[in-house]
This record gives sequence, C-alpha cells and structure tokens, in this order.
Amino acid sequence: ETGVTQTPRHLVMGMTNKKSLKCEQHLGHNAMYWYKQSAKKPLELMFVYNFKEQTENNSVPSRFSPECPNSSHLFLHLHTLQPEDSALYLCASSQDYGQNNEQFFGPGTRLTVL
Amino acid sequence: GQNIDQPTEMTATEGAIVQINCTYQTSGFNGLFWYQQHAGEAPTFLSYNVLDGLEEKGRFSSFLSRSKGYSYLLLKELQMKDSASYLCAVIDSNYQLIWGAGTKLIIKP
Repeated sequence: ETGVTQTPRHLVMGMTNKKSLKCEQHLGHNAMYWYKQSAKKPLELMFVYNFKEQTENNSVPSRFSPECPNSSHLFLHLHTLQPEDSALYLCASSQDYGQNNEQFFGPGTRLTVL
Repeated sequence: GQNIDQPTEMTATEGAIVQINCTYQTSGFNGLFWYQQHAGEAPTFLSYNVLDGLEEKGRFSSFLSRSKGYSYLLLKELQMKDSASYLCAVIDSNYQLIWGAGTKLIIKP
C-alpha cells in the first residue's frame, strides 16, 4: 500500500466510449502525475499537476483529458481512444514538483481498447 | 536525446547475487532512482543515489559513477519474491525524471 489508489483496476472500452480513470493520494503531496506504461517501453510521462495547476503536457493527444480538482485527486478522461492506447496507466504523487523527490505510484489501471 | 539503457531480462538462481546495470546519457544529472515493480503492481522505491559510491540497504545495494554515467543495483541472497522488473530513472537538469524500460529479473529455484 503506497498511499495512492486508482480505480478502476481494469477497463475495457470501445473506441466510441467515454470513460474516466480516477486517482487519489492520501500522502499530503503537492504534485501528481499520469504515466502510460507499455510493454518493454520506458514509462511515458503524460501530465503533471503541481498544486492543482497543470505544469506538463508531453504532447499527449487531445483524446486524453486530465482534471485535477484538488491536490488529492486526479482524473484522466478518455474518449474516442485507439487500440494503440491500450496500456497500463499509472498515477503517481510526490511531495513537490521539480525536486528530487521520490514518486509514489498507484497500482495502475489496465486499459484495453477494442 | 536522452537515453537510459538497462538489460531487458536477466535470470538468476535463488540464494545467489545479481547485478543489474544502468547506463545513462542525459542533459544534466540530479540523481538516480531504482524502483521495483512486481507484475500487475505499482512501482515501489528502492534507492536514490546522487553522489558517487555505494548505498547499502539490507540485501539491496545501489552504486553510482557520475563520470561514467553508470549505476548498478546489486541484489544479494536472492529470494523468489525478488522476481520483478527493476526500473532505473535519472533526474535531468530540469528535474525531469527520465525512465529506462526496466529489467525483468527471473529467479529460479
């Protein structure tokens, strides 16, 4: 238990569906992250929020839309995804952004796009 | 470009010692992390190195040479539960975390 929870753990969706991934951290951290993890590839940073403000958007397609209503919650809204978007989506948090702080990860959502 | 290299897969025997190497080419350096990730689970922090030398933590040790752009993770007295992927990540000059693809470690009885 890392103090970061994610729901759902598994999600199967069609290309025309709309779904949302949820992340919650109970660590009092100020920074939260969305990563995409594909088999045998490095973790790809998608979005970073620091004090609820988006600080990074690494050229992510607009079919992924993040939302951070407060420092403890982070969402990733999904719509009209493609099969190549199937992957493990990891949420992480750290005490601060832009420092050498350890990141704490959630268990991830295994997404399959049909 | 920025690059982290680590072996894709390694196999070792229970009770033995294994060394997982990581080499990096990044724009600047502000530290290096090792994480462990069991299949289907979250990556969890193992170690952080920012100065040259060896950091020991129980059965696990991590070494850093900044001049060589090189680190290794040393696992002693291997146990079956050590079967996992081991991720190397470097903090660059902009405090961005650059990740390797991970090394899958298989432990055999």
